[in-house]
Amino acid sequence: GEDVEQSLFLSVREGDSSVINCTYTDSSSTYLYWYKQEPGAGLQLLTYIFSNMDMKQDQRLTVLLNKKDKHLSLRIADTQTGDSAIYFCAESIIAGNKLTFGGGTRVLVKP
Amino acid sequence: EAGVAQSPRYKIIEKRQSVAFWCNPISGHATLYWYQQILGQGPKLLIQFQNNGVVDDSQLPKDRFSAERLKGVDSTLKIQPAKLEDSAVYLCASSLRPHPGAAAGTDTQYFGPGTRLTVL
Repeated sequence: GEDVEQSLFLSVREGDSSVINCTYTDSSSTYLYWYKQEPGAGLQLLTYIFSNMDMKQDQRLTVLLNKKDKHLSLRIADTQTGDSAIYFCAESIIAGNKLTFGGGTRVLVKP
Repeated sequence: EAGVAQSPRYKIIEKRQSVAFWCNPISGHATLYWYQQILGQGPKLLIQFQNNGVVDDSQLPKDRFSAERLKGVDSTLKIQPAKLEDSAVYLCASSLRPHPGAAAGTDTQYFGPGTRLTVL
């Protein structure tokens, strides 16, 4: 079955790196995504990784995938106050099919 | 490029009343999704359309929820009658995905701002 889990909360100081973790149970997950949700707004896609990749870097964002442990992480370098939001990881077995989301990690960036 | 549009942004109703939400996807996007996001949780897929056909409605409570996508563009989601536990944000998303197996990258889902429903 599909189950995606995340820690609830992360507090980080401005300028430090943030690491948000996610675990999933479905070994047939093919696509894994990170979305950002700011208050009152919809979800914004930050990045995604295919299951045949171990790492993907996109500017301040680094995604690491450990397929053996079914663990996904998002590292935000030089965290800014504008990065304060809820971050969701999501998995999809088939491209374009439904996304299964984790419960979200609320990130608070302190000045 | 205009994003996914939804209306209304907020709706407050009493239980047993009916309510409808509207979604206009990004122009040219073949696939449309409705998600329910209960406070403190991640979004959960209710229904997925490919053009004007239903691909997946396995998690749609069909005794009270209905959705349609006439002409394969705009979509409406209706709840009749509403229950207290329907209080949530209803998110609409769309993706280009012209057909199953389409090139990678066409499946990226773009989300609208959502409609926040409060059932009293």
